[in-house]
Amino acid sequence: EIVMTQSPATLSVSPGERATLSCRASQSVSSKLAWYQQKPGQAPRLLIYGASTRATGIPARFSGSGSGTEFTLTISSLQSEDFAVYYCQQYENRPPLYTFGQGTKLEIK
Amino acid sequence: EVQLVESGGGVVRPGESLRLSCVASGFIFDDFGLSWVRQAPGKGLEWVADINWSGGTFNYADSVKGRFTVSRDNAKNSLFLEMNGLGVEDTALYYCAKKNLMTSVAPAAFDVWGQGTMVTVSS
Repeated sequence: EIVMTQSPATLSVSPGERATLSCRASQSVSSKLAWYQQKPGQAPRLLIYGASTRATGIPARFSGSGSGTEFTLTISSLQSEDFAVYYCQQYENRPPLYTFGQGTKLEIK
Repeated sequence: EVQLVESGGGVVRPGESLRLSCVASGFIFDDFGLSWVRQAPGKGLEWVADINWSGGTFNYADSVKGRFTVSRDNAKNSLFLEMNGLGVEDTALYYCAKKNLMTSVAPAAFDVWGQGTMVTVSS
């Protein structure tokens, strides 16, 4: 089973600053990696798929990078609406089909 | 507007059954595979089940295999999750989610999510 590990669990950053979130896979998932944002009381929202492709309507301040086992989500200049929990997800097509990381909570410093 | 709306959640006792539904609108339903994803209170996301665009291919998480059955009715733009033998560990908000890849059996990212339906298993 592919295990996804996100770090840190909580990240405190000031508005306007850059945030860097990490996701590590226990084995290679190629570029089959997505990032989601979830705010309290809301469903997750797709930000990035294919490790680096922004989903429709996602601002350019969100970027994804990496391949294989190491991935990064970068938010270049944090806006107030960006403070949320972020999940990575692999979909490499091995059982189980999908696994999520445990999430990183991005909070206001 | 592309939309998924779940229903069917509720409070049940351990061992009982429940059937969840998800109705889609705003896209060509039978072009896309769908999944169920759940989230226990205060916890992270857990993928539950996946079904391809035609309904002919499905996969399950080990935690629900043999107890849950995913199906779809393309004529009614609907996705279902039949849950049997429910346990307290199945208590969660259940989301249906649409894949962002057309007519493929391969896994893909989820670009549309419903708001979820809550399932509570308690004695």
